[in-house]
Amino acid sequence: EAAVTQSPRNKVTVTGGNVTLSCRQTNSHNYMYWYRQDTGHGLRLIHYSYGAGNLQIGDVPDGYKATRTTQEDFFLLLELASPSQTSLYFCASSFGGWGAETLYFGSGTRLTVL
Amino acid sequence: AQSVTQPDARVTVSEGASLQLRCKYSSSGTPYLFWYVQYPRQGLQLLLKYYSGDPVVQGVNGFEAEFSKSNSSFHLRKASVHWSDSAVYFCVLSEGGTNTGKLTFGDGTVLTVKP
Repeated sequence: EAAVTQSPRNKVTVTGGNVTLSCRQTNSHNYMYWYRQDTGHGLRLIHYSYGAGNLQIGDVPDGYKATRTTQEDFFLLLELASPSQTSLYFCASSFGGWGAETLYFGSGTRLTVL
Repeated sequence: AQSVTQPDARVTVSEGASLQLRCKYSSSGTPYLFWYVQYPRQGLQLLLKYYSGDPVVQGVNGFEAEFSKSNSSFHLRKASVHWSDSAVYFCVLSEGGTNTGKLTFGDGTVLTVKP
């Protein structure tokens, strides 16, 4: 069973604050993804990576940076958090990036920006 | 551009009843289609997927889905629902054959199963 662990589970910060969300997968998957989930929008892709040191831009990247430090670890950085970034964030991984790959999701981080 | 529409934001059924959750897609290429389920306070989990062959695909926990190219649909079905099936269900479309790893998610359908 693929395992994807996110931390923290919940985070509250203020406008302009600096936030780092962490994700670790222990299945030697090549691809890792950061999504945000908002009511009425499903999941939207922020950034993804296909290996350590690689970063690809997703569909809603503005205001976010990401870094893949190792095969296992993928971080999402909000350097100047804004209330519009209040959301539920999911990390996911997959072995490949081919169209029929299954994604394995973490349990999510709920971020509130006051 | 590809898109996914789940026309029913909320569905309520009684335990033991049959279920159909609707999904319509738009894709200019080969569609790869998935249904994921999100239980309360959990991440999404794969129920089933389709990318070729028999248009009816079987998934976990008695779920199945039928792909229709002519109707651009991928509806999810279950013959008899259980209270534990209460969750949010997402229909997902992938750009087939490419190596972008990018998916398009529907907005989700909240399923409530009444005892």
